[in-house]
Amino acid sequence: NAGVTQTPKFQVLKTGQSMTLQCAQDMNHNSMYWYRQDPGMGLRLIYYSASEGTTDKGEVPNGYNVSRLNKREFSLRLESAAPSQTSVYFCASGAGITGELFFGEGSRLTVL
Amino acid sequence: SQQGEEDPQALSIQEGENATMNCSYKTSINNLQWYRQNSGRGLVHLILIRSNEREKHSGRLRVTLDTSKKSSSLLITASRAADTASYFCATGGSGNTPLVFGKGTRLSVIA
Repeated sequence: NAGVTQTPKFQVLKTGQSMTLQCAQDMNHNSMYWYRQDPGMGLRLIYYSASEGTTDKGEVPNGYNVSRLNKREFSLRLESAAPSQTSVYFCASGAGITGELFFGEGSRLTVL
Repeated sequence: SQQGEEDPQALSIQEGENATMNCSYKTSINNLQWYRQNSGRGLVHLILIRSNEREKHSGRLRVTLDTSKKSSSLLITASRAADTASYFCATGGSGNTPLVFGKGTRLSVIA
């Protein structure tokens, strides 16, 4: 059972470069999320998609864009990476918006 | 901004002892959830307690919820070295608001 799969697992970027983090879930979940985790800050919500075709901003959306490509896939794009975006990014999915979440293993991004 | 705040930030205990972590939150909730994160891994759901419940058990886990004090506690009984991890509470509000996570408690269980 794959669950939530994120790619890539590790990435190093230079300031100003762009990249897309991919996330796919095989549990037929309606809602999908992107969080970032920084030391001492816990998890902060970047964007979420309550259902296919909708996306909404979370707590820290600046500098990011998302696409809910279909029910399975939810991508996070950094158009012009900044050192402040160095973080561990987690994708999660859930059947409903306030229910149990299933997380991927994380994507570790360093921006130089 | 974080809704839940865990206390303590870090906890170190001997194997076999009980570990208690607390979570306080600010606004009304629909449910409260606890998650575990092993080092370098994603979060794993442990237990969900609804706002109309006061206590819930799952194996060695016991969760209590006091909505009047806006607080919850997670008790891990007879802890094991494998319980070493960070533990996060997350609150689910009403309607379509997504979960908000606290900053976590780092638990170290020493064999």
